Amino acid sequence: EAGVAQSPRYKIIEKRQSVAFWCNPISGHATLYWYQQILGQGPKLLIQFQNNGVVDDSQLPKDRFSAERLKGVDSTLKIQPAKLEDSAVYLCASSLGRGAGTEAFFGQGTRLTVV
Amino acid sequence: GENVEQHPSTLSVQEGDSAVIKCTYSDSASNYFPWYKQELGKGPQLIIDIRSNVGEKKDQRIAVTLNKTAKHFSLHITETQPEDSAVYFCAASSPGGGADGLTFGKGTHLIIQP
Repeated sequence: EAGVAQSPRYKIIEKRQSVAFWCNPISGHATLYWYQQILGQGPKLLIQFQNNGVVDDSQLPKDRFSAERLKGVDSTLKIQPAKLEDSAVYLCASSLGRGAGTEAFFGQGTRLTVV
Repeated sequence: GENVEQHPSTLSVQEGDSAVIKCTYSDSASNYFPWYKQELGKGPQLIIDIRSNVGEKKDQRIAVTLNKTAKHFSLHITETQPEDSAVYFCAASSPGGGADGLTFGKGTHLIIQP
């Protein structure tokens, strides 16, 4: 079974530039999550999709971050404009359903460096 | 919202000894507690999980215990091996309004000394 695919693996941009990350979840997984993992910390949830609808985006900095999941499959996360503090690994995860005990599978992440 | 505290931040044990990592959570509505292992350059991988209606779960050398009253849960690894060296994260899920994203602890860097 193919895992969660993310691209690119690495990205370096200057502050105030824009950047986009792509995620392809495991086939058939209805739920998709984006997490931000700052160096030395645990992942922090940014947004959760159920199919192509947003379930939770309470921790997404909406003035600069946006995400979409068209057709309920692939998803993109965009940052515009980027700040130095956005330097982190952005992890995409997917799960078959929703609710307690539904395992979330993580991709390898995209490491973003803002200079 | 949920807050998860994890201790210790670094744990060094001799190969073959046991390792214990502890976490506390704040939201009494949380009902799912997974543990993830993250190796360098990789995404977190689930190693064991427990639901709130269970007090203990074991899978070979790994076990998790949950105390709902005290709101804490622990990971136990016995007979540690070099490949157990990694960063371990505890997490809690407190479903509300259909959302069930995980709140993670800050992680424990487990070092297995040969």
